Amino acid sequence: QQQVKQSPQSLIVQKGGISIINCAYENTAFDYFPWYQQFPGKGPALLIAIRPDVSEKKEGRFTISFNKSAKQFSLHIMDSQPGDSATYFCAAITSGTYKYIFGTGTRLKVLA
Amino acid sequence: DADVTQTPRNRITKTGKRIMLECSQTKGHDRMYWYRQDPGLGLRLIYYSFDVKDINKGEISDGYSVSRQAQAKFSLSLESAIPNQTALYFCATSPAGSTDTQYFGPGTRLTVL
Repeated sequence: QQQVKQSPQSLIVQKGGISIINCAYENTAFDYFPWYQQFPGKGPALLIAIRPDVSEKKEGRFTISFNKSAKQFSLHIMDSQPGDSATYFCAAITSGTYKYIFGTGTRLKVLA
Repeated sequence: DADVTQTPRNRITKTGKRIMLECSQTKGHDRMYWYRQDPGLGLRLIYYSFDVKDINKGEISDGYSVSRQAQAKFSLSLESAIPNQTALYFCATSPAGSTDTQYFGPGTRLTVL
């Protein structure tokens, strides 16, 4: 029940295309769903996050779509660029607790 | 992000050796964490500390110990390293009262031969 399942494991997209990464969770106590972006040799950094009171959040080319009833959320990267090539982790947490549950990561490669 | 620094950045050691990984932060955060990253497994929590006197085990603490020397410093030790502890190790911080966003250091790549 604590797992967050992330797919796909890897993704190759042409420049200008849309990248979509999906995550699913079981624990309905989760109330904060961040996405972290990690470049090679760097630590993960918060990219965008959503709370379950909204179904979508957009920041620039990055959008989170959230489906509370299905217990799924996804990251959409519009107009994908080679600079977006990185590993993306979804995560879930219950606010006020210490424990992030991370997905297993998606390695995105955007071809120039 | 230089706000959270980790030393060393790379380390190769032999089975049975004791090794310490260090983390320092200038963000003024009370909460600090140690994670381990393995391919295909994501990040898993080893230990966390909410203040200098509060240290707690995470989901994979066996074979590891920690020390919170000050608000800004949190060290991870492998008492007797074994090959399956070969991984990327990340320190992270978050401000008191909020664990929603965590700030990660650049990581230490540890290889145990």
